[in-house]
Amino acid sequence: AQSVTQLDSHVSVSEGTPVLLRCNYSSSYSPSLFWYVQHPNKGLQLLLKYTSAATLVKGINGFEAEFKKSETSFHLTKPSAHMSDAAEYFCVVRLANQFYFGTGTSLTVIP
Amino acid sequence: DTEVTQTPKHLVMGMTNKKSLKCEQHMGHRAMYWYKQKAKKPPELMFVYSYEKLSINESVPSRFSPECPNSSLLNLHLHALQPEDSALYLCASSLGLGWGRETQYFGPGTRLLVL
Repeated sequence: AQSVTQLDSHVSVSEGTPVLLRCNYSSSYSPSLFWYVQHPNKGLQLLLKYTSAATLVKGINGFEAEFKKSETSFHLTKPSAHMSDAAEYFCVVRLANQFYFGTGTSLTVIP
Repeated sequence: DTEVTQTPKHLVMGMTNKKSLKCEQHMGHRAMYWYKQKAKKPPELMFVYSYEKLSINESVPSRFSPECPNSSLLNLHLHALQPEDSALYLCASSLGLGWGRETQYFGPGTRLLVL
């Protein structure tokens, strides 16, 4: 059973427009949730994390995500895309001591 | 300081060679991880060490041999690899494995090519 689903494998936005990257998880409990970004040929950088505190989580570089238990979602947003945001984004769920990576969303930013 | 360092950055090896990948962190983290990442795919967990003891081995072939000599250092010894082992090898660390301690910080990776 898939524990985390990233609904879009590719997203393209124009520079200066909002970004929405979608993530849904499968769990009866509130998991720990993370978003990571990976630029080409680089390691993963933590953008933000949810660990049962505030449901709206602010991260680095203007990104934020909202934990919605009723929708089992943890979508990543940014009000205005920058060229440097072009990268691969991974949603990660921690359930019962296991980490589950989504398949990733490739974000393209069009000048 | 949230830095995990990995050496070397790139490695080319033949199928009969023996080589090692090195990972280091000085954040006082007591859990360390090895991942393998193929192109356009998410990282796949290989091994987890907690307090220098192997905690998780995700059925990795024996040609990959991890070692955790101390709480700051994690090695991955490679021997008789196959071309399909070519990938980006990522190291990560976290405070621990327990709730609230599990946030992982990743190194830049070692790009491995097996000829």
